[in-house]
Amino acid sequence: DAGVTQSPTHLIKTRGQQVTLRCSPKSGHDTVSWYQQALGQGPQFIFQYYEEEERQRGNFPDRFSGHQFPNYSSELNVNALLLGDSALYLCASSLSGHPGNTIYFGEGSWLTVV
Amino acid sequence: AQSVTQLDSQVPVFEEAPVELRCNYSSSVSVYLFWYVQYPNQGLQLLLKYLSGSTLVESINGFEAEFNKSQTSFHLRKPSVHISDTAEYFCAVTPASGGSYIPTFGRGTSLIVHP
Repeated sequence: DAGVTQSPTHLIKTRGQQVTLRCSPKSGHDTVSWYQQALGQGPQFIFQYYEEEERQRGNFPDRFSGHQFPNYSSELNVNALLLGDSALYLCASSLSGHPGNTIYFGEGSWLTVV
Repeated sequence: AQSVTQLDSQVPVFEEAPVELRCNYSSSVSVYLFWYVQYPNQGLQLLLKYLSGSTLVESINGFEAEFNKSQTSFHLRKPSVHISDTAEYFCAVTPASGGSYIPTFGRGTSLIVHP
């Protein structure tokens, strides 16, 4: 059983460009969340998708947007990239219904903005 | 809102020595508590969690954590560490009610095990 898979693993973008990151959740999971992890910090919640709708959002600007597809996979889009957007972007999946359900993380996409 | 404080950014220890990684939290509601481990260049993996019941929870690789409600702490311990335990450890809390089941993470503690 494949866990959470993310692509690409590494990418370099120029300031002002746009980026799309992709995520496939663990089999059977219906909820996908995205996190930003800056170097030396803990993961910061960006948003969560369930049933193709954004269910909750963290304290991130509208430049960060996402989508969930009918097969539960998800995309994270970041527009007008800033140098400060350089970070590890983690996708996490879980089964909805109980806050204690285990969250599974992908290995992340390393984004460098130059 | 919840917050998590991991009191040590880095904990160096020799192999086979005991270790404790400290975690304190604040919350106005009941919470569930988690420890995650992140090995270099990897995502986070759940190490253990406290939902209810016994306040002492254990992982399969020898770690344990004790929930202390009065001290709002959830410290992680291991009686004898291995080189392979070198990693970043994150404490996290999730509200147990209210519908916003988004975990809040601490800044992490880097455990460095020396031979």
